Order: sequence, then C-alpha cells, then structure tokens
Amino acid sequence: NAGVTQTPKFQVLKTGQSMTLQCAQDMNHNSMYWYRQDPGMGLRLIYYSASEGTTDKGEVPNGYNVSRLNKREFSLRLESAAPSQTSVYFCASSTQGTRNNEQFFGPGTRLTVL
Amino acid sequence: SQQGEEDPQALSIQEGENATMNCSYKTSINNLQWYRQNSGRGLVHLILIRSNEREKHSGRLRVTLDTSKKSSSLLITASRAADTASYFCATPYGGATNKLIFGTGTLLAVQP
Repeated sequence: NAGVTQTPKFQVLKTGQSMTLQCAQDMNHNSMYWYRQDPGMGLRLIYYSASEGTTDKGEVPNGYNVSRLNKREFSLRLESAAPSQTSVYFCASSTQGTRNNEQFFGPGTRLTVL
Repeated sequence: SQQGEEDPQALSIQEGENATMNCSYKTSINNLQWYRQNSGRGLVHLILIRSNEREKHSGRLRVTLDTSKKSSSLLITASRAADTASYFCATPYGGATNKLIFGTGTLLAVQP
C-alpha cells in the first residue's frame, strides 16, 4: 500500500497562475483533508471531505477550491495564486467516526508563489 | 479557535535523556492525539488518548491527559538521535467529521 500520495512534490508559480494539487489514498478511507503548514503556525485545515461527494470549508478556505473526484482522490485548486499561498500543503485521510480518527498524511507539496 | 499550544517551542537534549513536551487546549474533547513530523516529511500518528484515560504508553512514549486542566504531556524516554523531529498535539472538533486542530508544535533536537 502506498498510503497517501501527493503530486507534485515541488512547484513554483507566478502570481495569478493556477494549478491543481493532486492527492490519492489507497486505504479505503472515507474522509480526506487538505492542510497548509507555515513556519510557526502548525497545520491549518483548508478544506475537508467527510465522504465521497461532500466537501466543506476548514479554517482557511479563501483562495482555494477542492474536488472529491471519487473515494480515492481529493484535489486542491488554486485559481489565481498569490504570494500569501506560499506554503507546504499536506493531504491526509482517515476512517469515519469519532472513536479512531487517526489521520494519515502524504509527504507534502512545497509551493512557492513569486 | 481550539488550537492546542505546545510548550516548549523548542527542546534540545542529549541522547539517553528523557524529553517532555506539553500541550494545552481550550475546550472539551473526547480524545487528544500526538503526531511526529520529521524534517521535510508528512506527519505520522504516534498515540491517541481518550478523555476517560489518564495515561497511556506505547513503547518509549508515555502520554498523560488532565481534562480538568485541559492539558496533556508527551514523555519520550531514553531518547535517540532518530527522535529528532517536531511533535504536535491535535484535538478533534466539529462533531463526527474527524476534523483535527493542531498545535504549533515542539521542535525536539536530540544530540548524539
């Protein structure tokens, strides 16, 4: 099992460009998440998907859109990148339910917006 | 927000020593989790402690939870250079959605 995979690993964009970050999991998890990590800020939730076909906003959704393509895949789109979106982006997944909501993380995408 | 706060922000110890890091949170929880992040990598789940548990062990890890003080501690015994990483506590919110809110982390450096 590959767990949670993310592409690309690194990306440099110019202000105003768009791009999509891809995430896939092979653990048959219902829930998937996108976080961003900035120095000294910990992880902040951008969007999450509790189950296939549903998505909802997290703490910092502005400037992002998501698509839960199927149970395996959850993509994050930046329509018009801004320097403030320079960050490391992590995708995660978990089973549903409140008893064992351990999250499994991908390796991250390092995004720089110039 | 319900963000956990870790203390200290950074900790440097010698191999073989114990490392203790603390987490405080703001509202009632049904569990608290600890994660490790090696430099440049994703987070890895270490341990989950439920609100009705006071202490839990996993290998060299010992976690305590004091719900009356809204705090938790993570103790790593007999530390190794490979334990060098950032450690985050995380607490659930939003009901049954499995959302977690993470603290800002403790950066642990274990000197060989």
